[in-house]
Amino acid sequence: GENVEQHPSTLSVQEGDSAVIKCTYSDSASNYFPWYKQELGKRPQLIIDIRSNVGEKKDQRIAVTLNKTAKHFSLHITETQPEDSAVYFCAASAGGADGLTFGKGTHLIIQP
Amino acid sequence: DTEVTQTPKHLVMGMTNKKSLKCEQHMGHRAMYWYKQKAKKPPELMFVYSYEKLSINESVPSRFSPECPNSSLLNLHLHALQPEDSALYLCASSQDRGWNTEAFFGQGTRLTVV
Repeated sequence: GENVEQHPSTLSVQEGDSAVIKCTYSDSASNYFPWYKQELGKRPQLIIDIRSNVGEKKDQRIAVTLNKTAKHFSLHITETQPEDSAVYFCAASAGGADGLTFGKGTHLIIQP
Repeated sequence: DTEVTQTPKHLVMGMTNKKSLKCEQHMGHRAMYWYKQKAKKPPELMFVYSYEKLSINESVPSRFSPECPNSSLLNLHLHALQPEDSALYLCASSQDRGWNTEAFFGQGTRLTVV
């Protein structure tokens, strides 16, 4: 089955700086890579996703890059704000109704 | 309506009880999922239903029994649970067509087994 590794487990950055979270996956059949933000006690919320036919996708301060050859993808958050503090999960799926395999999560802390 | 609704939000049950978790969506999604999330851990896939048929069971113990009565509803029947089954149970749904796999999560049911 799929295995997703995520680093770092904790990331502390100054407000206004950028944050980068990296994931690798093992199954070459995976073709869908979402990122979820989860605040304490709440549901995971999709913040951005990328499909394997695209190398990069951007939505305002958030961007995701995908390197299919190396089987890794990354989340980039620029101009970080206090409300960005949360746990971020990457995930991978082979599509259809395959379900998601999640990385272990990154606790992002934005220091004022 | 882009909501996945789960009930109840909180549940405390004894090890000999039988209870059910419910999930509902009206987005026309034909794939529905149960995930289990322990504190400070990622969600772990338990079951997948595709077009009301069980398509994936991730070796979940039989004390968890899923049911999909129709394309909008998903249940998880619980019986003889153990304290280590205490967790947040998340339901999700997605379209079951090719590239369209964005999953929408419900708010979850926080289950405590005593």
